[in-house]
Amino acid sequence: AQKVTQAQTEISVVEKEDVTLDCVYETRDTTYYLFWYKQPPSGELVFLIRRNSFDEQNEISGRYSWNFQKSTSSFNFTITASQVVDSAVYFCALSEGVWAGNNRKLIWGLGTSLAVNP
Amino acid sequence: NAGVTQTPKFQVLKTGQSMTLQCAQDMNHNSMYWYRQDPGMGLRLIYYSASEGTTDKGEVPNGYNVSRLNKREFSLRLESAAPSQTSVYFCASSSPLKRRLNTEAFFGQGTRLTVV
Repeated sequence: AQKVTQAQTEISVVEKEDVTLDCVYETRDTTYYLFWYKQPPSGELVFLIRRNSFDEQNEISGRYSWNFQKSTSSFNFTITASQVVDSAVYFCALSEGVWAGNNRKLIWGLGTSLAVNP
Repeated sequence: NAGVTQTPKFQVLKTGQSMTLQCAQDMNHNSMYWYRQDPGMGLRLIYYSASEGTTDKGEVPNGYNVSRLNKREFSLRLESAAPSQTSVYFCASSSPLKRRLNTEAFFGQGTRLTVV
């Protein structure tokens, strides 16, 4: 069965601390995509990153970095030097399969609520 | 580019009333989705449309119907609203490239629906 687990329900940090949000997934497919989305207090869902199962290179984008490890089925997200504006709910998601014209559904974790305090 | 536009943003219904949530995307995406988001439940897929002319049930389709009017528009209808349908509803779209893996989904701003 496909599943995404975000074990941390809530995290609270002080500004400038580094914080890592965990994501563990389960899938029987060898081909899949992983995603992270951000949902700030305003409510919209903002796409952050997509990673396919063939690419285990870590990714860095400014203060954000992602660590994909197939051996542990994890796709963790680290925010370096956190800021108050990073306060949001962060969702990890999994999409399986590949075929032309047949977009697979996203399987979502329950989200981690991050509070960055000044 | 507007992206994905949902209307209305807020709505209060009485039990038994009907309403349609509208969604339109201007990104020429093939696939569109309706999700509901409830505290502690994450995002749950109600219906999706892999391409124009097709619709399929998701995890929680009961009490809802959808119409993929054309490639741009995908509406969600509540025929007889119930308090259990109080939720935040999101429309999303994405487009798989031919013979490529899935792309990310882009979301609308959400509709906060309260059924009293």
